[in-house]
Amino acid sequence: QKEVEQDPGPLSVPEGAIVSLNCTYSNSAFQYFMWYRQYSRKGPELLMYTYSSGNKEDGRFTAQVDKSSKYISLFIRDSQPSDSATYLCAMSAFQAGGTSYGKLTFGQGTILTVHP
Amino acid sequence: NAGVTQTPKFQVLKTGQSMTLQCAQDMNHEYMSWYRQDPGMGLRLIHYSVGAGITDQGEVPNGYNVSRSTTEDFPLRLLSAAPSQTSVYFCASGRGTGVQPQHFGDGTRLSIL
Repeated sequence: QKEVEQDPGPLSVPEGAIVSLNCTYSNSAFQYFMWYRQYSRKGPELLMYTYSSGNKEDGRFTAQVDKSSKYISLFIRDSQPSDSATYLCAMSAFQAGGTSYGKLTFGQGTILTVHP
Repeated sequence: NAGVTQTPKFQVLKTGQSMTLQCAQDMNHEYMSWYRQDPGMGLRLIHYSVGAGITDQGEVPNGYNVSRSTTEDFPLRLLSAAPSQTSVYFCASGRGTGVQPQHFGDGTRLSIL
């Protein structure tokens, strides 16, 4: 069983829809949670990251973490065709010395298409 | 500010050949790492470095070698390429303290025949 599970989709929605992307994880040592967006033939770019349970909002994007259920979500409001990309969740454990050292464990990625 | 630069962007090798994938960053980041991305597998960590002269293995290190002689550069070496190493390789860098996001390059697409 993978440490991080993410539904690969693909997910196709009309412009303006609310999109929900989810990941579950099994390693309770994960403390840092991130969402990356990856356009075709490009590297992942960081969208949001959070340390604690709860919600974090940035414009049209909301990241949600529920550590008790080992479940994280990314919501996209008013989705646009420019949001069409692969979305990757990533997690990291707390390392000795107070740093995560950036050792990320990724989900498989969800392919999202927003059509006009 | 170039960020993370990877070269080459594409490469085709024959089985048994060796090559080095280059990665350079200009953000003075302590932490650098290499990932491979395969369909349905997400990104998997190959090797990482927490500073010049310090490297360690990630999840899938076999068949790969790294060194970190400077803060800026972190090359990945394939000593004897195998078809199973056909993949897209990403280099990332970030600050080594606290919760720090990782910045990725645009990848090297490697095909082993």
